[in-house]
Amino acid sequence: DTGVSQDPRHKITKRGQNVTFRCDPISEHNRLYWYRQTLGQGPEFLTYFQNEAQLEKSRLLSDRFSAERPKGSFSTLEIQRTEQGDSAMYLCASSSHVTSAYNEQFFGPGTRLTVL
Amino acid sequence: AQSVTQLGSHVSVSEGALVLLRCNYSSSVPPYLFWYVQYPNQGLQLLLKYTTGATLVKGINGFEAEFKKSETSFHLTKPSAHMSDAAEYFCAVSDRSWGKLQFGAGTQVVVTP
Repeated sequence: DTGVSQDPRHKITKRGQNVTFRCDPISEHNRLYWYRQTLGQGPEFLTYFQNEAQLEKSRLLSDRFSAERPKGSFSTLEIQRTEQGDSAMYLCASSSHVTSAYNEQFFGPGTRLTVL
Repeated sequence: AQSVTQLGSHVSVSEGALVLLRCNYSSSVPPYLFWYVQYPNQGLQLLLKYTTGATLVKGINGFEAEFKKSETSFHLTKPSAHMSDAAEYFCAVSDRSWGKLQFGAGTQVVVTP
């Protein structure tokens, strides 16, 4: 079990550009989560997938943000027309209803986005 | 709605001294409670969790936490701090077995020799 992986680890972009992040969950974890963490704050929930279905979205997920999990395995988070306020660490987590009935989530290392 | 309050954004402890990090929560249903640790530029690692049953839970690296329903608290302790404990610690709550975790703002722990 290699844990949750995220790619890239760092992304620097210019305001107005589009960026896409990828998350590979722990194999056979059917639940996948995206969070955003700004400096000095705790992670804030963005969205949640069970298999390929996106079941919950935060109001933080504006129409510039879109997340997919097309085959119920890896997920992508795209931000269109990036703004400086999008600069943050984007964290992915996964969990399994089989191995944990208590919403125990395992986090990846994160993708740090800097918008210039 | 659920929420988490961590008292103290920064805590400084001497090596070998007690570490005490405070967490209070609000939840309309019996909660699941978690403590995570984050080292610089890394993701979050689960230290311990409370689900049901025993209110004193033990986690990794010598940490433990006690769930006190009457005080709506879930404070994290470690009897003797080690230099490697320097990190940021987050308390989180969930009101169901799936879905989002609600995190506190975090407590940065500094360990001095």
